[in-house]
Amino acid sequence: DQQVKQNSPSLSVQEGRISILNCDYTNSMFDYFLWYKKYPAEGPTFLISISSIKDKNEDGRFTVFLNKSAKHLSLHIVPSQPGDSAVYFCAASESGYALNFGKGTSLLVTP
Amino acid sequence: NAGVMQNPRHLVRRRGQEARLRCSPMKGHSHVYWYRQLPEEGLKFMVYLQKENIIDESGMPKERFSAEFPKEGPSILRIQQVVRGDSAAYFCASSPDVTTQYFGPGTRLLVL
Repeated sequence: DQQVKQNSPSLSVQEGRISILNCDYTNSMFDYFLWYKKYPAEGPTFLISISSIKDKNEDGRFTVFLNKSAKHLSLHIVPSQPGDSAVYFCAASESGYALNFGKGTSLLVTP
Repeated sequence: NAGVMQNPRHLVRRRGQEARLRCSPMKGHSHVYWYRQLPEEGLKFMVYLQKENIIDESGMPKERFSAEFPKEGPSILRIQQVVRGDSAAYFCASSPDVTTQYFGPGTRLLVL
């Protein structure tokens, strides 16, 4: 039962442009959402989070938007850099600890 | 401040053997979580522990799998009588409280 879905397995963006990664969820009880970045053979690295009481959180080049009515969140990276090339996972929780992960979106930023 | 440490990074076991995966949380973190990632899948929650206590093991298979986080030393995920389907990447995460989890590099288990 996949409660967090990332429907785009891959995304290619030119350096300097905006990258938009999308995530949908089905469980309306989720109240905390996170984005992680993962390189091959490494663990996920925390990027940014947002609680359900907000609709936007920004940290440098990364902004997360939450649309609770649509059960949708997105991660914007601007400007995109080649070092951003990685797999991005969306995660959500209702309990505060058991994270539910999507299958990931592989981002490629080309020079 | 060192990150979450996991060892071994790679582990090869034959069917029927035991696998022991170790996790040392970040300094000051008393909450530990284990996740499993199968190929082409997202991470799946297995168990949540605090020192000497299992808080939630709802994601862990009922048989052959166990986890502990003793008062002293690392957290251990133990898989008895491994089968080929146990081959996966096992990630440990830690947090200072029930907030953002920080992940270790993972242990890649291969069962022959």
